[in-house]
Formats: sequence, structure tokens, C-alpha cells
Amino acid sequence: SQKIEQNSEALNIQEGKTATLTCNYTNYSPAYLQWYRQDPGRGPVFLLLIRENEKEKRKERLKVTFDTTLKQSLFHITASQPADSATYLCAPHKDSNYQLIWGAGTKLIIKP
Amino acid sequence: NAGVTQTPKFQVLKTGQSMTLQCAQDMNHEYMSWYRQDPGMGLRLIHYSVGAGITDQGEVPNGYNVSRSTTEDFPLRLLSAAPSQTSVYFCASRAAGGGVGYTFGSGTRLTVV
Repeated sequence: SQKIEQNSEALNIQEGKTATLTCNYTNYSPAYLQWYRQDPGRGPVFLLLIRENEKEKRKERLKVTFDTTLKQSLFHITASQPADSATYLCAPHKDSNYQLIWGAGTKLIIKP
Repeated sequence: NAGVTQTPKFQVLKTGQSMTLQCAQDMNHEYMSWYRQDPGMGLRLIHYSVGAGITDQGEVPNGYNVSRSTTEDFPLRLLSAAPSQTSVYFCASRAAGGGVGYTFGSGTRLTVV
């Protein structure tokens, strides 16, 4: 069955450093992959979408890569700030008429 | 403010009771979905709709019903609540077409005792 894996352990990063989160998928060949941010008690907020033919995508301090050979996406936050602390969810999907399959998320903690 | 509105924010039900979780969006989005989120698990799709009058089952539809009579509204009905339905429920919507992310509501925290 399809499986989406994100690091279940919290990731602790010093402020100002680059945080890198991993999303691995198995038994699945998505054409797109989305990343969301979720704060406690709130709904997820859409951040970025990357297509399979885009190796890398950037938005301000965020960068996402998509390696269909490794079946992996990396999510980077550069110059991290305590306000970046949240849980980050990845969700690959096949096509535009899609339903997303969600990872459980990785909790990111940025220490001042 | 444009977005997805869910009500209520919190609800406690007794086993066997029924209720409806409300979801409304004002962005004229065609696609709407209901998810449940449990600790340590990814969001799981309950039901979804690709337009008014069209609904379909997701991964975990048992015990839930939906309808989509208008573009704006997508209520989720719990037919006979069970403790296993204790969860946080999110409604989400998006525009048609590829390359578009979902807009989520703030969620309903449901406890079934």
C-alpha cells in the first residue's frame, strides 16, 4: 500500500540555521507534492507545490526539492526563526483531479 | 474574510447520538473535502466533493454521510457516534485545476463518550 514517511521525532534547530525536513514515499508515483504548515489547534496552511518535472522550487526562505528516483522530497527553511516552529506536513498526489495522501508531519522547533 | 468556516469548534457527544459538522467556503471553490486527524497519523480523507451534487467516499467513510447541495456548503453528518470517531475534523476546499493547494478550516474537535 502507499506509504508516506516523515520523521516522527521533533527536529530541533538553532535560530539562524537551515532546517531540512524529509518526506519519503513508497509504492507511489506522484506527479505533484505539496507542503503545508500546521500550528497547534489550527488547520494546515498551504506553503508550496512542486511538480515532478521541477527539481527545485523556492519561495522566500523556503526551498523544496523533489527527487522521483529517490522517491523523496526535502523541505528547507533557511535563516530559521522561532516563528517557523510548527509541524510541517507533506502530501504527494498523482494528478490535478487528485486526492492527497498525507504524511503524519514533522514537528520543527527553532531555538533562539 | 474569505476562507473556510467550520462550526462548531468543540463538541462532546454521547455514544449513539448523531450530529452535523458544518463547513462553508466563500471562495467559489469546486473541490471540498473532509478529513480527520488523529495523533501520530496523517490526515485521513473521509468524503470529498468535486462540485455541487457530486460526492464520493474517501479512505475512512464508514459512519459518516455528506451532501453538497450548493457550491458553498459541505456538511458532514455522524450517523451514530462511536468513541472511535473521537478526533479533530477538518474541512478543506480548493479551486479546480492542477497546481493549487487546499484552504483548510480551523477544525472541529469532537469527543465521543
